[in-house]
Amino acid sequence: DTAVSQTPKYLVTQMGNDKSIKCEQNLGHDTMYWYKQDSKKFLKIMFSYNNKELIINETVPNRFSPKSPDKAHLNLHINSLELGDSAVYFCASSPTGTASGNTIYFGEGSWLTVV
Amino acid sequence: DQQVKQNSPSLSVQEGRISILNCDYTNSMFDYFLWYKKYPAEGPTFLISISSIKDKNEDGRFTVFLNKSAKHLSLHIVPSQPGDSAVYFCAASAQGGSEKLVFGKGTKLTVNP
Repeated sequence: DTAVSQTPKYLVTQMGNDKSIKCEQNLGHDTMYWYKQDSKKFLKIMFSYNNKELIINETVPNRFSPKSPDKAHLNLHINSLELGDSAVYFCASSPTGTASGNTIYFGEGSWLTVV
Repeated sequence: DQQVKQNSPSLSVQEGRISILNCDYTNSMFDYFLWYKKYPAEGPTFLISISSIKDKNEDGRFTVFLNKSAKHLSLHIVPSQPGDSAVYFCAASAQGGSEKLVFGKGTKLTVNP
């Protein structure tokens, strides 16, 4: 019973395409995140939503658009994919955000390769 | 600008011995620190955490030490087991406004049988 699940796990697509990665958590958490692990292995936050409301939007190109239909789901849409978007994208969730000292729980990651 | 630094990209130890993974941070506003463990092709999983009001937290074979004056924390694993072989990420967050974790680059631990 996966707590944070994201699909697809692997995605290979051509430059210029639009793609989506879906994420769902069954932990009852209020806060969800998208993190990106790039080729240099840094794990960096992209977005954070609390109860469907955007609370963190790091310096991310506006080709990336998160959408949260409800607090259990946070999907990531990427338009006009570029080679540099190739990375591993991790969805995560936490009870009320890390500022209150809560742990965040990660999904297994989605390996995106843009060719 | 790396606020959380793990200067050793890799560490190799013998089974049964102690593994010590180090982490330094620069942001004095950080007050909550976590260690995550990551196996290949999986997401990071939470291992252990420590609040800045403590200097030590222990959970079974895992102990995290925090030295606030040096802005340094370490993870001790004893005894090390082959199943501990993974990448270990140090992460930090700050109260009062930051909803995000800042991660280090990770240290790959290999425990040899």
